[in-house]
Amino acid sequence: EAQVTQNPRYLITVTGKKLTVTCSQNMNHEYMSWYRQDPGLGLRQIYYSMNVEVTDKGDVPEGYKVSRKEKRNFPLILESPSPNQTSLYFCASSFAGTGGAGYTFGSGTRLTVV
Amino acid sequence: GENVEQHPSTLSVQEGDSAVIKCTYSDSASNYFPWYKQELGKGPQLIIDIRSNVGEKKDQRIAVTLNKTAKHFSLHITETQPEDSAVYFCAARSNSGYALNFGKGTSLLVTP
Repeated sequence: EAQVTQNPRYLITVTGKKLTVTCSQNMNHEYMSWYRQDPGLGLRQIYYSMNVEVTDKGDVPEGYKVSRKEKRNFPLILESPSPNQTSLYFCASSFAGTGGAGYTFGSGTRLTVV
Repeated sequence: GENVEQHPSTLSVQEGDSAVIKCTYSDSASNYFPWYKQELGKGPQLIIDIRSNVGEKKDQRIAVTLNKTAKHFSLHITETQPEDSAVYFCAARSNSGYALNFGKGTSLLVTP
């Protein structure tokens, strides 16, 4: 089944403790992206990647890192999480190019930083 | 960059009635407009999309219209059912980029 898999689904952590949220897709998509979803603010892009070893900042990149060493994986790294990073996070992927269709989203990771 | 405005933020309709959600975009170079449905506890799922060379697209009870001159597009759901209750997001993508810019979402409630 074509899908984007995120792990974990739920995570509670303490301020300053490094964490990684994994994202993997099995559709051979070139483009991958991370979003955070907050009430009243919709979906805001954190980082995106056009292909292996090619990443760039989205609208709200502060406090986050990403890497794209393999085409299928795009982990999101919070080196020193803070309470304002408590949010619902989504990974998404698509084929690149203007002819590409819309994104396929993962099921989300609900992160709480205390 | 692209700015997508979505209205209304909440919408309540009775089962069987129609629902309309409207979005406007700022970048005249935008050429791809998808709509997503997000059910509680799940990620957004693509339900319909339209490209700038088409004015209207229909899929059973769902239709999307696009007015390029006015830079707005709308989602129409006819004969609504309780299972249509969800948050709906519109998005737009520029011809020059890959990122989708999302509206803030519309929470649709269909009451029996």
